[in-house]
Amino acid sequence: QSALTQPPSASGSPGQSVTISCTGTSSDVGGYNYVSWYQQYPGKAPKLILYEVTKRPSGVPDRFSGSKSGNTASLTVSGLQAEDEADYYCTSFAGRGVFGGGTKLTVL
Amino acid sequence: EVQLVESGGGLVQPGGSLRLSCAASGFTFSTFWMYWVRQAPGKGLEWVASIKGDGGEKYHGDSVKGRFTISRDNAKNSLYLQMNSLRAEDTAVYYCARDCGYYRFDPWGQGTLVTVSS
Repeated sequence: QSALTQPPSASGSPGQSVTISCTGTSSDVGGYNYVSWYQQYPGKAPKLILYEVTKRPSGVPDRFSGSKSGNTASLTVSGLQAEDEADYYCTSFAGRGVFGGGTKLTVL
Repeated sequence: EVQLVESGGGLVQPGGSLRLSCAASGFTFSTFWMYWVRQAPGKGLEWVASIKGDGGEKYHGDSVKGRFTISRDNAKNSLYLQMNSLRAEDTAVYYCARDCGYYRFDPWGQGTLVTVSS
């Protein structure tokens, strides 16, 4: 069982916005601004898309944004595109590396 | 180009051993924490083990503690995972990843599949 809780699924239509949550505790998500998000396509390795809650690596579209409130971090994908359909995982600095359970994003 | 390439996966019988390797290039390998992360078929990501840049600190997840050992050879820019007493539940794709700080894992290798079955 993951220490970070994500909804198993999320969905939206093209052009809409969708938000995926990542809930931890005051010892991880709430205690540090070190939440990262990863995108994974089937059969492929995960790819970093957000770090330190809000920062995007070079090449990641600005449609991907992050935020945090209390013990919950969120990933928002705006202007959904078909290519955004993937699994998304969060992680938060909390000692030894813990991943959320993952969220499957479906573009309807 | 920063790159990680895993090798060493394959089919092994329960109770057997396997050694995974991860070849790093394009960065100063010895200055980064490195991680092994696995993903069982249809499941999420699971942290397996991590090691400090100088090899002086190592941590292993509870599910592999006492059976798996992470190590590195900075002279060869290589990360290793020695897996002993393998079980069916260890079947997964194993990824190596560089920690750029505070669990910012980038990049990841392409993964190597380990199948434990008789």
